[in-house]
Amino acid sequence: KQEVTQIPAALSVPEGENLVLNCSFTDSAIYNLQWFRQDPGKGLTSLLLIQSSQREQTSGRLNASLDKSSGRSTLYIAASQPGDSATYLCAARFMEYGNKLVFGAGTILRVKS
Amino acid sequence: DAGVIQSPRHEVTEMGQEVTLRCKPISGHDYLFWYRQTMMRGLELLIYFNNNVPIDDSGMPEDRFSAKMPNASFSTLKIQPSEPRDSAVYFCASSLPGTGVETQYFGPGTRLLVL
Repeated sequence: KQEVTQIPAALSVPEGENLVLNCSFTDSAIYNLQWFRQDPGKGLTSLLLIQSSQREQTSGRLNASLDKSSGRSTLYIAASQPGDSATYLCAARFMEYGNKLVFGAGTILRVKS
Repeated sequence: DAGVIQSPRHEVTEMGQEVTLRCKPISGHDYLFWYRQTMMRGLELLIYFNNNVPIDDSGMPEDRFSAKMPNASFSTLKIQPSEPRDSAVYFCASSLPGTGVETQYFGPGTRLLVL
């Protein structure tokens, strides 16, 4: 069974700090990996999608990297703000499963002002 | 565009009752997904449709769960009979034609509590 694991489960940082969220997946045979944000009581919003042939994607203060060989992805958030407080989930599309996304349990981020 | 619409937003019911969750995908989207999110199991895909046809229902936990998509603008997820362990947040998502499953737009979810 293919799985996605995220560490840490929760993270609390002061405003302005740079931070890294980690995601690992059990099989390097993936089509892509995606990072989502979930606000309390809301659905998920896609942040960044990295195709298997790519090493990283950037959007504003967010940078996601992908290392298929080691089964890892990181989400880097620069100069964190209180508005970044949310749960961040990564999801892998394993080739074995076709069109199904497998989600990690998420990292709950709190940025203190 | 109003985004993916789900109803009801909250549902409280008693064990044994039938529960029907509804979803209206974004107009023009051709994939529709039903997910369940719990603290214990995280976010799990239950079933997804492509052009109104169920493609993969391997995530549907039991025969008590059923899903339909009678047309491109409406889908239902039904639980009959409901049990306390079905308590969760149920999300519906849809994706753009030609982009497959990557570009999923999620609805706000239905929070279900079965007493």
